[in-house]
Amino acid sequence: DQQVKQNSPSLSVQEGRISILNCDYTNSMFDYFLWYKKYPAEGPTFLISISSIKDKNEDGRFTVFLNKSAKHLSLHIVPSQPGDSAVYFCAASSRETSGSRLTFGEGTQLTVNP
Amino acid sequence: GAGVSQSPRYKVAKRGQDVALRCDPISGHVSLFWYQQALGQGPEFLTYFQNEAQLDKSGLPSDRFFAERPEGSVSTLKIQRTQQEDSAVYLCASSSTRVTGELFFGEGSRLTVL
Repeated sequence: DQQVKQNSPSLSVQEGRISILNCDYTNSMFDYFLWYKKYPAEGPTFLISISSIKDKNEDGRFTVFLNKSAKHLSLHIVPSQPGDSAVYFCAASSRETSGSRLTFGEGTQLTVNP
Repeated sequence: GAGVSQSPRYKVAKRGQDVALRCDPISGHVSLFWYQQALGQGPEFLTYFQNEAQLDKSGLPSDRFFAERPEGSVSTLKIQRTQQEDSAVYLCASSSTRVTGELFFGEGSRLTVL
């Protein structure tokens, strides 16, 4: 039962354009969402998060949008840079029922072409 | 060190062998997690410690998997009688908080069972 799904295994964009990575979830108890970035042979690194009481959180070039009714979140990167090329994982948590445990999606490989 | 350190980075084991994977979390971090990441998949939760207490081990796939954190710092994940399906990257993460927040991941230990 895949509770967090990233339906696009890969995404390719041109440098300077917007990258939009999508994530869907099924568990309505999830109330905290995070995005992690992973380079090859490294561990995932935290990028940005959003609580279910918000619908948008912005940090520099990165913005996460949350649509609770659709159980959907997205990560926008603008402008995209070649250094953004990595695998991006969406993760979710239900602080009431599962505490600190994160459930991850399968990941989306982003390639930003110069 | 400044980050989460895991050893060994790479481990090749023959089927049936026991392996031990070590994690040195960031100094002072209360929470410690182990995740398993199969090829092409996102990390999957194995177990969670708060200090020396193992609060959640619901993700451990079988009783061949055992984790400990006896002094609330270094943790060891032990896999007994390894099987081919145990081949994966084992990620350790730590956090300074007791509630959901940013996790700091190590680079992982890649286990290959022949």
